[in-house]
Amino acid sequence: GAVVSQHPSRVICKSGTSVKIECRSLDFQATTMFWYRQFPKQSLMLMATSNEGSKATYEQGVEKDKFLINHASLTLSTLTVTSAHPEDSSFYICSASQVLGGPEAFFGQGTRLTVV
Amino acid sequence: LAKTTQPISMDSYEGQEVNITCSHNNIATNDYITWYQQFPSQGPRFIIQGYKTKVTNEVASLFIPADRKSSTLSLPRVSLSDTAVYYCLVAGSGNTGKLIFGQGTTLQVKP
Repeated sequence: GAVVSQHPSRVICKSGTSVKIECRSLDFQATTMFWYRQFPKQSLMLMATSNEGSKATYEQGVEKDKFLINHASLTLSTLTVTSAHPEDSSFYICSASQVLGGPEAFFGQGTRLTVV
Repeated sequence: LAKTTQPISMDSYEGQEVNITCSHNNIATNDYITWYQQFPSQGPRFIIQGYKTKVTNEVASLFIPADRKSSTLSLPRVSLSDTAVYYCLVAGSGNTGKLIFGQGTTLQVKP
């Protein structure tokens, strides 16, 4: 199946700093990617839809100025958590689907963000 | 997007067949039912998708009754490595990306 890769897999940052997470589709092009957040013992929550060449679409309650999304190419979307605080500590996961592909969405391995 | 309801947790033993049922009473005509598996600290992985009746692949079977208001994921002869969270999702055809996850079912397989 198709591969979606995230980097880094885990990151620790100081409160007030910004962190960038990359999501790459390795063997297919993705005009749309999705970003999820998952807190411990909870389900995945969709944060935003990343659209290549245009602005991201954020779900209700997600601060677009805090979670900056850039989808500059057909294989790369980035999520930047700006001015991170301890409550932003979470597991961030991206996904992408193949255009005219099968029914499945392909997820990255996730990024564990810890803000200290 | 139709809401789904699953048992929060299930226990099983190695070698047994496990059936996880999902309710989706408000499923729309063009919705498909998809199941994902998630291990701790990993992204979800697609298991199976179906629209009606029965679908089988190398890892699972999916049973969908005629009214499509529920579905059952069947895992044959589970092993310890099948311990994971299983999510049932309902979405329209072509919507493979914007997924709304419910609470999922935590399956614990015991030796």
